[in-house]
Amino acid sequence: GNSVTQMEGPVTLSEEAFLTINCTYTATGYPSLFWYVQYPGEGLQLLLKATKADDKGSNKGFEATYRKETTSFHLEKGSVQVSDSAVYFCALPDIQGAQKLVFGQGTRLTINP
Amino acid sequence: EPEVTQTPSHQVTQMGQEVILRCVPISNHLYFYWYRQILGQKVEFLVSFYNNEISEKSEIFDDQFSVERPDGSNFTLKIRSTKLEDSAMYFCASSVRTGSGETQYFGPGTRLLVL
Repeated sequence: GNSVTQMEGPVTLSEEAFLTINCTYTATGYPSLFWYVQYPGEGLQLLLKATKADDKGSNKGFEATYRKETTSFHLEKGSVQVSDSAVYFCALPDIQGAQKLVFGQGTRLTINP
Repeated sequence: EPEVTQTPSHQVTQMGQEVILRCVPISNHLYFYWYRQILGQKVEFLVSFYNNEISEKSEIFDDQFSVERPDGSNFTLKIRSTKLEDSAMYFCASSVRTGSGETQYFGPGTRLLVL
């Protein structure tokens, strides 16, 4: 089935720094790609998604572009805030047309004031 | 904005006891899922459910696990005889499929601790 590899954490940045969290995938076809975020003590929230190649998903200042050439979906934010401290998960469907999602191992992000 | 809800938020149980985790999916969604996350590990798929039957299940989802949609709103996960290794955060998710694909929305999770 499909798989995803995320940048190992933890990542610690200062407020207003630029953020990149790498995500690369192996997939048959061009499945939708997702970033989910888990804030401390909370569940998984959909952060953004892209449904086809070259799409850019964006939300809350975060962006990720679906790049089929490099099989990547890196998460970026130009200026992080303390409130962005969370665990970020890259995910995609297991196989084309399948229902279940496969998740990366998660990247813990800590932003210091 | 509609949300998936889960109860309880935390559950502590003794090994060998039965637990039922409850979820209320988003009301117009048709596909339902359970995932779990053992502390410090990846989120893992357990089971998917559509049209009142299981559509897919993982190796983890053995005979000790069952799911049910007892009415029009609830979706439950039952573990018949809990083991220590069942301790995890359990997430329910629901989705609806559109022309642009499917997006799963997750609940806040139930943290299960088996002693």
